[in-house]
Amino acid sequence: GAVVSQHPSRVICKSGTSVKIECRSLDFQATTMFWYRQFPKQSLMLMATSNEGSKATYEQGVEKDKFLINHASLTLSTLTVTSAHPEDSSFYICSARGTGEQYEQYFGPGTRLTVT
Amino acid sequence: DAKTTQPPSMDCAEGRAANLPCNHSTISGNEYVYWYRQIHSQGPQYIIHGLKNNETNEMASLIITEDRKSSTLILPHATLRDTAVYYCIVRVARTGNQFYFGTGTSLTVIP
Repeated sequence: GAVVSQHPSRVICKSGTSVKIECRSLDFQATTMFWYRQFPKQSLMLMATSNEGSKATYEQGVEKDKFLINHASLTLSTLTVTSAHPEDSSFYICSARGTGEQYEQYFGPGTRLTVT
Repeated sequence: DAKTTQPPSMDCAEGRAANLPCNHSTISGNEYVYWYRQIHSQGPQYIIHGLKNNETNEMASLIITEDRKSSTLILPHATLRDTAVYYCIVRVARTGNQFYFGTGTSLTVIP
């Protein structure tokens, strides 16, 4: 149980284009999902907290107009990187929080974005 | 911001216990300690969590000091598959219950 998937696993796009990444909780409902970014040899950096049916809460320094987050259902959140540039190339990871009281997060396998 | 500090790297012989320390001296009374690990280019995997008492599951044991300012993750019989980066995280006790990852410990299990 508690499986989170991401699609695509790997994407290459040209500078200036937009890319959408999907995060799905496959066997549970997730009222809260999180998006992280990880650069090579670095730790995960929290970008935003996404609650179903409401606007995402972004961490300080993360541009909300560049990283659009939609959490329209209890099993799906999407991250759209708009007008991507090479510096946006990174490993993007989502997680979903279970509905119980333990608050553990279940992580997706990540999406490798390369902007050329 | 991460509320934890961990040694950057550790080695452990295969079959021996791996003891990974974590300092969280500013932890609040209602904040939990979580441990995750990340194998290269994969999403983090949940290991264990605790509040005050020591915890054990099929993967590991978590020892939390009485003052809660530090903890140790114990992998009782390390295997080569346990080579990964291990993150100790203090879950923020506020709306959203975010995880802020520190730098983690890169554990290498040596044959």
